[in-house]
Amino acid sequence: AQKITQTQPGMFVQEKEAVTLDCTYDTSDPSYGLFWYKQPSSGEMIFLIYQGSYDQQNATEGRYSLNFQKARKSANLVISASQLGDSAMYFCAMRGRSKLVFGKGMKLTVNP
Amino acid sequence: KAGVTQTPRYLIKTRGQQVTLSCSPISGHRSVSWYQQTPGQGLQFLFEYFSETQRNKGNFPGRFSGRQFSNSRSEMNVSTLELGDSALYLCASSLGGQNLGGAEAFFGQGTRLTVV
Repeated sequence: AQKITQTQPGMFVQEKEAVTLDCTYDTSDPSYGLFWYKQPSSGEMIFLIYQGSYDQQNATEGRYSLNFQKARKSANLVISASQLGDSAMYFCAMRGRSKLVFGKGMKLTVNP
Repeated sequence: KAGVTQTPRYLIKTRGQQVTLSCSPISGHRSVSWYQQTPGQGLQFLFEYFSETQRNKGNFPGRFSGRQFSNSRSEMNVSTLELGDSALYLCASSLGGQNLGGAEAFFGQGTRLTVV
């Protein structure tokens, strides 16, 4: 079975600071993908970044980077230079051979 | 390129009624997945369709059903609505190839269903 764990219920960060959102996972699939999504109050899930289990380098997408540590089964999202618009719910997800499984999410609040 | 479109955006139904939600995926995407999101349970997988066939199914009662048409558009139906079915229903589309691990899913804005 696949499982995603996000233990931080909420975080506060000052604008322009960097922030790390934690995610650990568990799976028996040899090949899998890890994803981060952002969900603002409007409800839409916005795809942020993807990391394949066999990728040698950590994924980066603009201000987002994924700190992938396969042996520790962690896939933390790093947001550099936080912006007010980054305030939202953030979900870590994983897909192996079947469905996309989500963590419980965590709420990030960026203060001016 | 148009994104994933879900209709309607908001819906209010009475207990016992049935409801049909629609999802139009991104052009070229053949996989459509449905999720139910509630404050208590988070995001729960309902089912996934690929090329008009249900490929995966979550742990929901038979009142929840879906289908996919030849143009990849998908509908989800909930019969005999219960108060607990009130939720945000999200649809996601992806290319849906065999390499599922790399298939990024793009979501619609969701349909917020309220059962009264």
